[in-house]
Amino acid sequence: EVQLVESGGGLVQPGGSLKLSCAASGFTFSASAMHWVRQASGKGLEWVGRIRSKPNSHTTSYAASVEGRFTISRDDSKNTAYLQMNSLKTEDTAVYYCASLTFPGGFWGQGTLVTVSS
Amino acid sequence: DIQMTQSPSTLSASLGDRVTITCRASQSISSWLAWYQQKAGKVPKLLIYKASSLESGVPSRFSGSGSGTEFTLTISSLQPDDFATYHCQQYDSYPWTFGQGTKVEIK
Repeated sequence: EVQLVESGGGLVQPGGSLKLSCAASGFTFSASAMHWVRQASGKGLEWVGRIRSKPNSHTTSYAASVEGRFTISRDDSKNTAYLQMNSLKTEDTAVYYCASLTFPGGFWGQGTLVTVSS
Repeated sequence: DIQMTQSPSTLSASLGDRVTITCRASQSISSWLAWYQQKAGKVPKLLIYKASSLESGVPSRFSGSGSGTEFTLTISSLQPDDFATYHCQQYDSYPWTFGQGTKVEIK
């Protein structure tokens, strides 16, 4: 069974940092690009970024709203992807999903809530 | 960045109605468009990819059409399980972007 399990969410002050993890199982993680998508309460989905597989040099891409503040990485030996979030703003408050966005197919984790507030 | 604009934002419909949701891209994305269904508190579910290809297991009452900059998602006969929010997403070029969502409500 394919599973993506996010962890690391919580409450953080503006300007602070947080690192999210996404543990994968049930598929060939090392061969898969991994994405992060977020959703603020009552709002639409926002693509955050993605990291490619090792054959594609672990290349990353980001949304303009997080470029320079967020970094996606992965550890294929642990089947885990990460989202390092620095210089957090109140507008980064959202549920963060990791996902394997393939067409067809693809799957999403259940998400982890990040709240940025003083 | 490519902007995706969905219309309407909210749609009220009755069981059995034919429902159409539109998604417009700010520039051509060929057919690299996906549609998702999301219920409250749940994870998005892929319905349509490559503008008109039905994801495995998705009922045939869902269909997608369009190419270039204008796309539609059609539900041929609205069922109780279809009341949800629908999102379009382009995957033609990075950064990938979503529409703002269309909520389908009971009339």
